[in-house]
Amino acid sequence: DADVTQTPRNRITKTGKRIMLECSQTKGHDRMYWYRQDPGLGLRLIYYSFDVKDINKGEISDGYSVSRQAQAKFSLSLESAIPNQTALYFCATSGTANEQFFGPGTRLTVL
Amino acid sequence: AQKVTQAQTEISVVEKEDVTLDCVYETRDTTYYLFWYKQPPSGELVFLIRRNSFDEQNEISGRYSWNFQKSTSSFNFTITASQVVDSAVYFCALNSGGYNKLIFGAGTRLAVHP
Repeated sequence: DADVTQTPRNRITKTGKRIMLECSQTKGHDRMYWYRQDPGLGLRLIYYSFDVKDINKGEISDGYSVSRQAQAKFSLSLESAIPNQTALYFCATSGTANEQFFGPGTRLTVL
Repeated sequence: AQKVTQAQTEISVVEKEDVTLDCVYETRDTTYYLFWYKQPPSGELVFLIRRNSFDEQNEISGRYSWNFQKSTSSFNFTITASQVVDSAVYFCALNSGGYNKLIFGAGTRLAVHP
């Protein structure tokens, strides 16, 4: 089984809808991250969390919110989706070795 | 400020050619980590290598090799005798500042043709 899972893997939604992307990990890591990938821009950090009580904004947090429900779960929400939030979203976890482990990605399309 | 530049947007080679993917980084920190990830057409991110700032030894893993040069702030990746399965987008990334946040380059799309 995969160490980092993301649900859903694909989602099509309409402008204005609320969307939640979920991430779960079995690696026992405290640190979790959400990134979005846009063509030609690489991955950019949206939010990160170093433990359940620690949430931090990343480079592009506007329009997004997160919830760290448990050590193993980190959810990303789009309160009112807009078309320019169409992207590939990755969740990642990290232990103490400075390496990040990525989930398989969620492809989100906002019409 | 931290930054990663991958100047090559796309590279196209014929199978068995050698190809080098360039990565230049910027950071003021003395301790940092550099990474390469591969993203095949299926979309997942595959970890290839991590190098810390105190280890400038070049590394070879099969057909892959990495050249880390602090003097030029570069961490280049070479694929020897490329194969069609090497076709992917390759990302260079920097972890700097002690917060474990990765800063990615824009990626280089490599197409290997038969």
